[in-house]
Amino acid sequence: DTEVTQTPKHLVMGMTNKKSLKCEQHMGHRAMYWYKQKAKKPPELMFVYSYEKLSINESVPSRFSPECPNSSLLNLHLHALQPEDSALYLCASSPVVGSGANVLTFGAGSRLTVL
Amino acid sequence: GQNIDQPTEMTATEGAIVQINCTYQTSGFNGLFWYQQHAGEAPTFLSYNVLDGLEEKGRFSSFLSRSKGYSYLLLKELQMKDSASYLCAVMDSNYQLIWGAGTKLIIKP
Repeated sequence: DTEVTQTPKHLVMGMTNKKSLKCEQHMGHRAMYWYKQKAKKPPELMFVYSYEKLSINESVPSRFSPECPNSSLLNLHLHALQPEDSALYLCASSPVVGSGANVLTFGAGSRLTVL
Repeated sequence: GQNIDQPTEMTATEGAIVQINCTYQTSGFNGLFWYQQHAGEAPTFLSYNVLDGLEEKGRFSSFLSRSKGYSYLLLKELQMKDSASYLCAVMDSNYQLIWGAGTKLIIKP
């Protein structure tokens, strides 16, 4: 299995809602990532988990809360989002963190619209 | 600061060859990646260069010159499905990926 699976593919939520994005990989990768991507822009790193521990938090607002229940799963909990948070949210995994040839495998993304 | 430059948009003809350039200034260097991203889809890995020279993989080749802070992605025998954005990314001394803004490649018949 060489895929990263993300659900849901599309999500529309109001500013008072609580929702979660889910990501799963079965490649035995020990690093998992959340990226945010706006149209015509490169991916922006949000969080990195290494061996199920949060290793990087790129000053992301607390309305985004990551969780790594086990080595295969990564969640992003969303609460009280703003319309400017509307974007494509990409999950990725890689064998490890801190290695040169560290190829990221991306999921198809969850397109989030905040009304 | 860290910076990666690549052209915003390029146009090429089906069957032709196109070269997408990338220049970088980063805090250290642990390799350069090229990813392809079709509109609305996830990036997919194309190539990785850490030593100077050319890496060939089918219709796609990637070149690196570390002394010049320069790479290019060469696409041969262009097909309509090659219309996509091409993202250059450099891994810095902290093993963080620094992304370029991407080059949108438009293929015309």
